[in-house]
Amino acid sequence: DTAVSQTPKYLVTQMGNDKSIKCEQNLGHDTMYWYKQDSKKFLKIMFSYNNKELIINETVPNRFSPKSPDKAHLNLHINSLELGDSAVYFCASSQGWSGNQPQHFGDGTRLSIL
Amino acid sequence: DQQVKQNSPSLSVQEGRISILNCDYTNSMFDYFLWYKKYPAEGPTFLISISSIKDKNEDGRFTVFLNKSAKHLSLHIVPSQPGDSAVYFCAAIPNTGNQFYFGTGTSLTVIP
Repeated sequence: DTAVSQTPKYLVTQMGNDKSIKCEQNLGHDTMYWYKQDSKKFLKIMFSYNNKELIINETVPNRFSPKSPDKAHLNLHINSLELGDSAVYFCASSQGWSGNQPQHFGDGTRLSIL
Repeated sequence: DQQVKQNSPSLSVQEGRISILNCDYTNSMFDYFLWYKKYPAEGPTFLISISSIKDKNEDGRFTVFLNKSAKHLSLHIVPSQPGDSAVYFCAAIPNTGNQFYFGTGTSLTVIP
């Protein structure tokens, strides 16, 4: 059973479209994250939710809106997609808020904007 | 501003030898460090971690060393195996929260 699953795995779409990426974890964790890995392979945090509450919201365009319907899900909706949004997006989860809890990652969603 | 740096994008090692992956950081508030391993088309998986109160942590073939004065940590894999071929990310967490700061990764190739 996949611990952190993201769908879709690949997403190819045109500039200006709106798209969503879904993430679910079955680990019973209470904290979930979204990361963006750009072309330079740099993994940068975008959002963090703890018990469905937004904890971290890095400098991300407001076209990106996370939604956490429950502790096991953190979806990412992106409006008006731009070329620079092309990247691999990783969802992750961890138990608790403390710094020594390793994060468990999904396999990523590769978003390509045409 | 990248607070965690892995200056070697790639490393090749012969099977059976030691692999040493390096990581430097700039923020003295980091108090926990982790290494992740990533295969192509998969997410990073946790490998080993170390608290800032220690200078060494060992788990089987993997050992992480921390030099706080130099703001440097390294991951040693010995003996290296072909299955270790992957991208290794170093990550750090400040004592103020659970935000992970990642390096850009080092691609390790273990040659049979």
